[in-house]
Amino acid sequence: EVQLVQSGVEVKKPGESLKISCKGSGYSFTRHWITWVRQRPGKGLEWMGRIDPSDSKTNYSPSFQGHVTMSADKSISTAYLQWSGLKASDTAMYYCARRVSGLSWYFDLWGRGTLVAVSS
Amino acid sequence: SSELTQDPAVSVALGQTVRIACQGDSLRNYYATWYQQKPGQAPLLVIYAKNYRPSGIPDRFSGSSSGNTASLTITAAQAEDEADYYCSSRDSSGDSLGVLFGGGTKLTVL
Repeated sequence: EVQLVQSGVEVKKPGESLKISCKGSGYSFTRHWITWVRQRPGKGLEWMGRIDPSDSKTNYSPSFQGHVTMSADKSISTAYLQWSGLKASDTAMYYCARRVSGLSWYFDLWGRGTLVAVSS
Repeated sequence: SSELTQDPAVSVALGQTVRIACQGDSLRNYYATWYQQKPGQAPLLVIYAKNYRPSGIPDRFSGSSSGNTASLTITAAQAEDEADYYCSSRDSSGDSLGVLFGGGTKLTVL
């Protein structure tokens, strides 16, 4: 089955570090960029950035540049999103999604999301 | 600044047709993509490259565009179509490697 499986719920305190994961299966992981999308409670989707699993090149939205780091380990078909100093405002659902390029860019496969809660 | 604008909420009577609009300068250069999101679920791709449907998406969903506006049309809306709908496109500003999402439209089926 083609899928992206994300790591589980995280409850953290401000200032703590965190790394969440997104594992692809059922397809060639290096053929598609992985993008990360944030959704704060009751709010819309925000594109955070993307990583190319074949070479780990990244592009970040200006809104997230410097606050998160994306990485990937193609040997285990897994992408990561990490923070070195969480803030309460990072509380959100984080989705990974597979990008398809062609006539347009679109995300045809999504993980179920990782809920990150940051509170003192 | 680059952005995509959507009406926050739209309603439609069961079985009627509804159009959800999305405006933005990037739509002059790139096709719109549409996602459906139901409560507690991940987004689901419903329309890509302006008017292509992934396998499994009913043909009552269709897309169109003109100038800086893209539209998602649901013909004969069903109760299960009640959801949030997000438009998206490549960002036409800067290095064009970014992606934009609209703010979302909450569709209520009456």
